[in-house]
Amino acid sequence: AQSVTQLGSHVSVSEGALVLLRCNYSSSVPPYLFWYVQYPNQGLQLLLKYTTGATLVKGINGFEAEFKKSETSFHLTKPSAHMSDAAEYFCAVRGRSNDYKLSFGAGTTVTVRA
Amino acid sequence: DGGITQSPKYLFRKEGQNVTLSCEQNLNHDAMYWYRQDPGQGLRLIYYSQIVNDFQKGDIAEGYSVSREKKESFPLTVTSAQKNPTAFYLCASSPSRGGGYTFGSGTRLTVV
Repeated sequence: AQSVTQLGSHVSVSEGALVLLRCNYSSSVPPYLFWYVQYPNQGLQLLLKYTTGATLVKGINGFEAEFKKSETSFHLTKPSAHMSDAAEYFCAVRGRSNDYKLSFGAGTTVTVRA
Repeated sequence: DGGITQSPKYLFRKEGQNVTLSCEQNLNHDAMYWYRQDPGQGLRLIYYSQIVNDFQKGDIAEGYSVSREKKESFPLTVTSAQKNPTAFYLCASSPSRGGGYTFGSGTRLTVV
């Protein structure tokens, strides 16, 4: 079964600084990988996903993530944080079988300091 | 616009009462899911369905029940057997393999 580990439950960054959220997965074969963002009292919104092909994936709101098979990682970055980036971020993984289920990490809460 | 609609947004349950949370999608997605979210615990899968008239238990199905009579609808009933139902409930749907989930805006259930 696939699983993900998000390193750090809380991250605090200054406005304009780099945002780096870490995600490592465990899977016997390269899985599908996703990053979602959740604002308070709302559902989750897809930021980006990796399925196949290019390992650097660009998403919405200036975020990107790089799939590194050798490191079993899928870290999320944004070069310059904005106040609107304050939210909770979830990494998720699913296998390449007919099982559609996603397994989510525990989430990382991002706060942005002015 | 296509999407997932969850209702109600807020729900209050008395002790011993069953309540049903609604989830409707017009995305023509095959699969639908129910997750429970508690602070600091991420998302935990309650039930999922990959096809009409079929569903499977997730990691925390005890005290919950579902039905999938139509492709568009996947209601969740929180029964009186669920001893700690206060949580934020999220419904999601997905197309066939390779797709991510589309989430609804959630229902916050509180026991009073």
